[in-house]
Amino acid sequence: QSALTQPASVSGSPGQSITISCTGTSSDVGRYNLVSWYQQHPGKAPKLMIYEGSKRPSGVSNRFSGSKSGNTASLTISGLQAEDEADYYCCSYAGTVVFGGGTKLTVL
Amino acid sequence: QVQLVESGGGVVQPGRSLRLSCAASGFTFNNYEMHWVRQAPGKGLLWVAAISYDGSNKYYADSVKGQFTISRDNSKSTLYLQMNSLRGEDTAVYYCARLGARGDFDYWGQGTLVTVSS
Repeated sequence: QSALTQPASVSGSPGQSITISCTGTSSDVGRYNLVSWYQQHPGKAPKLMIYEGSKRPSGVSNRFSGSKSGNTASLTISGLQAEDEADYYCCSYAGTVVFGGGTKLTVL
Repeated sequence: QVQLVESGGGVVQPGRSLRLSCAASGFTFNNYEMHWVRQAPGKGLLWVAAISYDGSNKYYADSVKGQFTISRDNSKSTLYLQMNSLRGEDTAVYYCARLGARGDFDYWGQGTLVTVSS
């Protein structure tokens, strides 16, 4: 199964908002609302940030939000902070598991 | 608290085998589907394999089908990944992850590095 499509990189200044897209097909992203997002800092394990497309686990800042439209899911980070600089991955669970290629977020 | 601790990684020659383990604690292991995910150096996350809560169903990425075998021992709360005929492209950090009730990976281990090199 092909990886979901994410931009390779995005950047923003502190306090700004950024959005990372994740495009799949009607067989994965568009099939169910089981899209999750993960944050990964260098040398660390991924951390769950969003599940079921738009829900935040306990302890995750409300600056992180998710949405989905058709075959594309999105992660928005508002009020960018230096600590948000990391790689972000989307993931679809629709019978099989497929990850996006990852997006490197740079906080300028 | 939930903990997943991988072990068994290391340097291995091409064509050889390696078995990874993932020791789970802090939750009822036999209630959860478990997965292996790998990450090649400088690359993204790639799903490898999954096993149902009771071990009766197993799923593999096409790239490792017939080469890797996932298993679990619920009496020991441990997940395994048997990797045979290893190749350079299998070099990666291997993570075990718990599948949550909402189709997400809610807990991850710290990862174990497998390097396939002569």
